[in-house]
Amino acid sequence: LAKTTQPISMDSYEGQEVNITCSHNNIATNDYITWYQQFPSQGPRFIIQGYKTKVTNEVASLFIPADRKSSTLSLPRVSLSDTAVYYCLVGVEKAGTALIFGKGTTLSVSS
Amino acid sequence: GAVVSQHPSRVICKSGTSVKIECRSLDFQATTMFWYRQFPKKSLMLMATSNEGSKATYEQGVEKDKFLINHASLTLSTLTVTSAHPEDSSFYICSARDTSYNEQFFGPGTRLTVL
Repeated sequence: LAKTTQPISMDSYEGQEVNITCSHNNIATNDYITWYQQFPSQGPRFIIQGYKTKVTNEVASLFIPADRKSSTLSLPRVSLSDTAVYYCLVGVEKAGTALIFGKGTTLSVSS
Repeated sequence: GAVVSQHPSRVICKSGTSVKIECRSLDFQATTMFWYRQFPKKSLMLMATSNEGSKATYEQGVEKDKFLINHASLTLSTLTVTSAHPEDSSFYICSARDTSYNEQFFGPGTRLTVL
């Protein structure tokens, strides 16, 4: 499994765009990049997944450069409710494979 | 998306007693479920992989005789913390993969406090 490196914490204000970058220099050819969000005392929640270029859904965008050695989760116009821990995971999605979590990025949004 | 539930959501027990935590996939079948433990302000740590109809696979350092896992059906896995001690107090989270979504869904977690 590819090791990931993320900033430990980030601060933002409501209405701003937040970009969280994850480094994964040893990503393998078959690996996907997945981001999860976790609120205190809750289980993680899937946000977005991608393999290359850009992926966008109703809550976030994921930017992946051509070399795939990093990725950036972009949260547009954050609100107080986006305060959470964000985890970047890299690996192959297989039925019997567990997800291994790194330390994550604690995002704090203030008014 | 698919839903995974856990019961109870929180439990307080005395030292030396055993506690059972249930993990259910509500609208899909899961041949494999995973159990994680999370200490305050720390990341999730994989404890074991629960396989329906067979023995669980434990991560290094996790005592299989202390953390008993049973995966008797395609929708239910249980984790029993035997002879619990205060150091077992933690947040326990299960997950299951829904192959139709190619996603892994997590339960809401169970807060265990051992007095």
